[in-house]
Amino acid sequence: AQSVTQLGSHVSVSEGALVLLRCNYSSSVPPYLFWYVQYPNQGLQLLLKYTSAATLVKGINGFEAEFKKSETSFHLTKPSAHMSDAAEYFCAVSAGGTSYGKLTFGQGTILTVHP
Amino acid sequence: EAQVTQNPRYLITVTGKKLTVTCSQNMNHEYMSWYRQDPGLGLRQIYYSMNVEVTDKGDVPEGYKVSRKEKRNFPLILESPSPNQTSLYFCASSRGGQKTQYFGPGTRLLVL
Repeated sequence: AQSVTQLGSHVSVSEGALVLLRCNYSSSVPPYLFWYVQYPNQGLQLLLKYTSAATLVKGINGFEAEFKKSETSFHLTKPSAHMSDAAEYFCAVSAGGTSYGKLTFGQGTILTVHP
Repeated sequence: EAQVTQNPRYLITVTGKKLTVTCSQNMNHEYMSWYRQDPGLGLRQIYYSMNVEVTDKGDVPEGYKVSRKEKRNFPLILESPSPNQTSLYFCASSRGGQKTQYFGPGTRLLVL
């Protein structure tokens, strides 16, 4: 079985401040982990993914995430927020094994960026 | 242009009236999937397909049917829609079950 928990349904930061969106996962086998972003009235697009190579993963738009197996976490960060980062962010896990083909999403975190 | 298309984009219907939401991709992807998005619940997987004629249940399959007769198409069928199926639906495709998924623009469904 696999599951994802995103801590904080809403996160608010000032422009230029650090962005930290938290994601914890549960998986019985080594997981593939993803962060997707959804801008208003649009579909989802991939920010970055972890596929058992480097534990620090760099994505688009200056975002990165670190896979920490001991903490079962895959938190998303960006050093300096921009107004255009305002969106909803989803963490997702695909654990493979008997769950191959299943993709489980977290509940989402809405990021607001203040001027 | 590589894309996933869904039709219709918006649909209002009544309880019990069968409907189909179409999904088509032009990337020759083997894997396709349907999700529903509800506030506070994120996206939940309804059904997925690893290839033509191969489909499997996701986390919330009740009340839905799918078929995969062609590689590019993966329609979602609601045989007897109910108000609790009011939601935003997304189709996605990828080269494999654990590869990056490409999402369609979404179909907003209201069942009265």
